[in-house]
Amino acid sequence: SQQGEEDPQALSIQEGENATMNCSYKTSINNLQWYRQNSGRGLVHLILIRSNEREKHSGRLRVTLDTSKKSSSLLITASRAADTASYFCATVPRSNDYKLSFGAGTTVTVRA
Amino acid sequence: NAGVTQTPKFQVLKTGQSMTLQCAQDMNHNSMYWYRQDPGMGLRLIYYSASEGTTDKGEVPNGYNVSRLNKREFSLRLESAAPSQTSVYFCAAPGTGSSYEQYFGPGTRLTVT
Repeated sequence: SQQGEEDPQALSIQEGENATMNCSYKTSINNLQWYRQNSGRGLVHLILIRSNEREKHSGRLRVTLDTSKKSSSLLITASRAADTASYFCATVPRSNDYKLSFGAGTTVTVRA
Repeated sequence: NAGVTQTPKFQVLKTGQSMTLQCAQDMNHNSMYWYRQDPGMGLRLIYYSASEGTTDKGEVPNGYNVSRLNKREFSLRLESAAPSQTSVYFCAAPGTGSSYEQYFGPGTRLTVT
């Protein structure tokens, strides 16, 4: 079974708006990562947040992590058409830091 | 710097046929991974190799075998393909920075009829 679950499954926003998606997971983690996948392409790493961190920024991306609730959120500010993609959270468990477990993803469509 | 390369990009097999998917990385990292991606299910780990000479099962290993040929190459073999193995297959390896961040190949789209 997959470790993470994203919510919502799909999101449609206007260019310039913010997009927020959430990820919940089940077991203790070493870190949590977010990846982007454009249609028909491989995944691209966006950002990593360690279990002892609560918030991290990278450009227009803001990630939060609440280990007590086993949840994370990804915020994309001032969205652009190029942000249209699927976004996946992935967790590295404390029990085996070689394994990366992915959620089913959130599909984001940014309308011009 | 090509990162992670995979061949072939597309493949159509008949049920029962065999094939090997090839993956190579030029980031000189010890670990490599094979995933499959089915619609609506995200990526699931098939096998991984923590270092040259070692391989371990992931979440969905049945029907697959792997070989870590050397530090650079990690192949995935389907001995007797089944329609349930129709999927997109991705190889990945950590980058030169954090060993946790994975770089993915472009994928192999496999259809089994």
